[in-house]
Formats: sequence, structure tokens, C-alpha cells
Amino acid sequence: GAVVSQHPSRVICKSGTSVKIECRSLDFQATTMFWYRQFPKQSLMLMATSNEGSKATYEQGVEKDKFLINHASLTLSTLTVTSAHPEDSSFYICSARGGNGELFFGEGSRLTVL
Amino acid sequence: RKEVEQDPGPFNVPEGATVAFNCTYSNSASQSFFWYRQDCRKEPKLLMSVYSSGNEDGRFTAQLNRASQYISLLIRDSKLSDSATYLCVVTTPGFQKLVFGTGTRLLVSP
Repeated sequence: GAVVSQHPSRVICKSGTSVKIECRSLDFQATTMFWYRQFPKQSLMLMATSNEGSKATYEQGVEKDKFLINHASLTLSTLTVTSAHPEDSSFYICSARGGNGELFFGEGSRLTVL
Repeated sequence: RKEVEQDPGPFNVPEGATVAFNCTYSNSASQSFFWYRQDCRKEPKLLMSVYSSGNEDGRFTAQLNRASQYISLLIRDSKLSDSATYLCVVTTPGFQKLVFGTGTRLLVSP
């Protein structure tokens, strides 16, 4: 079974609205979670590193005011895409590092902005 | 130059064939290396880690050449179920981040 649960798996929204994606680690605590984005036929690109209890670290070129990350507990990180536009349509995937160092990925969330 | 480069393919092979993928990375200080498998519209799943001494897991063999900064994956006796995209993944020094290649698509046909 999944050790990292991501929700929702699919979301369709209108341009200008905000969308929240949740990433939960099951059966283990994750002080660090990672958020990736994958456009069709492209590699996963790290967007930000989410740290429990502190501010997320964003990769160059990722707007922190647009992609809000909250890591309020050791098992939950959320990514909010604010004022989404069609170019934000993508596959968003989170991952969390388990106790043995292995990275576990969520099932991904496919966002379509109309 | 991309941090991790792979031939996107697709590689079309018949069942039972042997196929090899290569991947090059640009940061000589990279510490850890992996092959992940990603099925269409799904999350990536760890296939195997890659060690300097080379390692084998059933039909899969991975090798690392630090001097030339490339990683390889060999799949023997291909199965239909091996059809997927294979992602080469490299960690930055200190294992801070994973850097993914664009992936190599494999199509195994009957």
C-alpha cells in the first residue's frame, strides 16, 4: 500500500481560482517533503522543499507567493496553487523521506486549469 | 547542459530482447544514483540504486562510471510489463535533492 498519500488525484478548476493539494505520510513522520511538477514528456522538476515548522525552500524560478507550501505537522504538507492559470496545468507530485532515507512518492495530482 | 541527460527514446524492442539505457550527469560531486520507473500518468517508483561496483537485481543490472559520469541500466529478457519510462536520478551533494532526467521510454512488443 501507499506510504505517501496525495489528494486530490485530479482537479479541474477555472482560471483565477486557488487549488490545494495535500500530501500525507502514512505510518511515518516526515520532517522534509518535496514538491515536484512534471509537464508532459518532461522530467520531474523540484519546486520546493517543505520543512516541518519552518518556511519552505523554493527552487529558482518558482514563485513562492503563487505556490504556497505549508508543512504544519510531521505527516502533512500542503501545496496551494493560488490564482491558477492554464499554464499551471501539470502533474504535481510530492515525496517524503522515510526513516531509512528512501524517498516515497505520492500518487500525484493532475491539475487542469480551464 | 542539463544536470542529468537521457535519450528520450522510445526504444522499441521485442519480448525477450536485451536493452540498455545510458544516462550522463554533469555534477561530478553527485553522491547517489538511482533508476526509477514511471508508468504513464503515475508516480515514479524506485527500481534500483546504482553503486560504483555495479549491482544486479534479477533481470536488471545497473552500473556507475564516476570517471565518465554516466550510469547505465541493462534489462535482460524484456517482458511486456517492462514497458514504461525509466528515469535516471542523481542526488546533489549531501543528498539534499533529487535531480531527474527526462526519462527513456521503453516499449516492449509481443
